[in-house]
Amino acid sequence: GENVEQHPSTLSVQEGDSAVIKCTYSDSASNYFPWYKQELGKRPQLIIDIRSNVGEKKDQRIAVTLNKTAKHFSLHITETQPEDSAVYFCAAITGGGNKLTFGTGTQLKVEL
Amino acid sequence: KAGVTQTPRYLIKTRGQQVTLSCSPISGHRSVSWYQQTPGQGLQFLFEYFSETQRNKGNFPGRFSGRQFSNSRSEMNVSTLELGDSALYLCASSDPQGSNEKLFFGSGTQLSVL
Repeated sequence: GENVEQHPSTLSVQEGDSAVIKCTYSDSASNYFPWYKQELGKRPQLIIDIRSNVGEKKDQRIAVTLNKTAKHFSLHITETQPEDSAVYFCAAITGGGNKLTFGTGTQLKVEL
Repeated sequence: KAGVTQTPRYLIKTRGQQVTLSCSPISGHRSVSWYQQTPGQGLQFLFEYFSETQRNKGNFPGRFSGRQFSNSRSEMNVSTLELGDSALYLCASSDPQGSNEKLFFGSGTQLSVL
């Protein structure tokens, strides 16, 4: 069935360093890959997304890359700041409609 | 525009009871999805409704059901509650006029089953 694997489960970086979170998906028909950020006690919020016809997308300090052949996509955060500390979820559209399959999440901690 | 609104914010029930959760999507959004979030399992897809029709369904038992009304508001119902149903239930809506896949989440209903 559809599956999205996410690594690492926890990530600790120093302020100003870069953070990379990786995900792989199993459904070759998946064509949309969003990333959500969830701060403690808050709702998941969409931070960036990419479609299968694009290899890379950037928005200020955040970028996402997609390798369709290998079925993996990654989130890159540069110049990390304490407010980047949160749980990050990758996801992929699987099946028809708007069914998102989520990865298990990465707890990112940016230390001063 | 107001965001996705979920009520109630917190619920405490006992085993065997049933519960109904409500979700009001962003104005103009016709797709509403429901997800269960637990510390161990992450975000699990329950079902999606579009124009009052269930378009997708996840791998949850029949105790979990939902519906959507003509104004796009949605409800989900869980019958015969079990301890394992304790979770944060998130609703998300999307805009078929724009980028259909962009989901906007509500703050969720935290359900505790005792």
